[in-house]
Amino acid sequence: GNSVTQMEGPVTLSEEAFLTINCTYTATGYPSLFWYVQYPGEGLQLLLKATKADDKGSNKGFEATYRKETTSFHLEKGSVQVSDSAVYFCALSDLSYNQGGKLIFGQGTELSVKP
Amino acid sequence: DVKVTQSSRYLVKRTGEKVFLECVQDMDHENMFWYRQDPGLGLRLIYFSYDVKMKEKGDIPEGYSVSREKKERFSLILESASTNQTSMYLCASRGGGKATDTQYFGPGTRLTVL
Repeated sequence: GNSVTQMEGPVTLSEEAFLTINCTYTATGYPSLFWYVQYPGEGLQLLLKATKADDKGSNKGFEATYRKETTSFHLEKGSVQVSDSAVYFCALSDLSYNQGGKLIFGQGTELSVKP
Repeated sequence: DVKVTQSSRYLVKRTGEKVFLECVQDMDHENMFWYRQDPGLGLRLIYFSYDVKMKEKGDIPEGYSVSREKKERFSLILESASTNQTSMYLCASRGGGKATDTQYFGPGTRLTVL
C-alpha cells in the first residue's frame, strides 16, 4: 500500500543553519505530495505542495522538489529561524480514494531551532 | 479567513463513557475528516465524509462512529471510551473533489481516558 517515511527527529539546529528533512514515499500512480507544519499548540497547516514530477513547491523560504526517480520530497530551507521550531509532516494524496482524497502522513519530524 | 473549530482543546473522560467530539467549519466544504495523532505514528485517518449524511471508514475506524447531519458539522463519537483512545484528535475539511486541494485543520482536542 501507499506509505510515507520521514527522517526521525528531533532535529536540533542553530539559527541560520541549513535544514533538510528527508521524506520518501511508496505509491501507485502519481500522487500529489505535501508538507504540513504544526506549530506548538496548533493544528496542522499546509506549508507547500507539488502535484507532479519535477514540480517544486515553495513557501516562507522552504522548498521541496517532487522527485519521481528517487520517490522523494525532501524539505529544505537555507537559513532557519527560531520561529521555524515546529513538527513537520510529509504527506501524499491517496488516489485510490475517489471521494475525499485521503492524505497519508509520515510520522512527523520535530525541529527545534536554538538562538 | 478559513476556520475549523473543535469543541474542546482538552477533555478528560472515564473508561466506558460515551464521548462526543465536535468539529465545525465555516468554508462550505464538502469533505471533512477525523484523524488521531500519536507520537511516532503521525496522523491516521479514522473516518471521513464527502457529503451530508455520507461517511467512509478510514484506516482505524474501530471503536469510533461519526455523524454528519449538517454540512458544516462533523462529529466523532466514542461509544464506550477506552484508555487506548487517549490521543490528540484533529478535524480537517477540504473543498471540492480534488485530492490536490488543501486540507484545513482545527487546533485539535487532546483526549485523556482514565
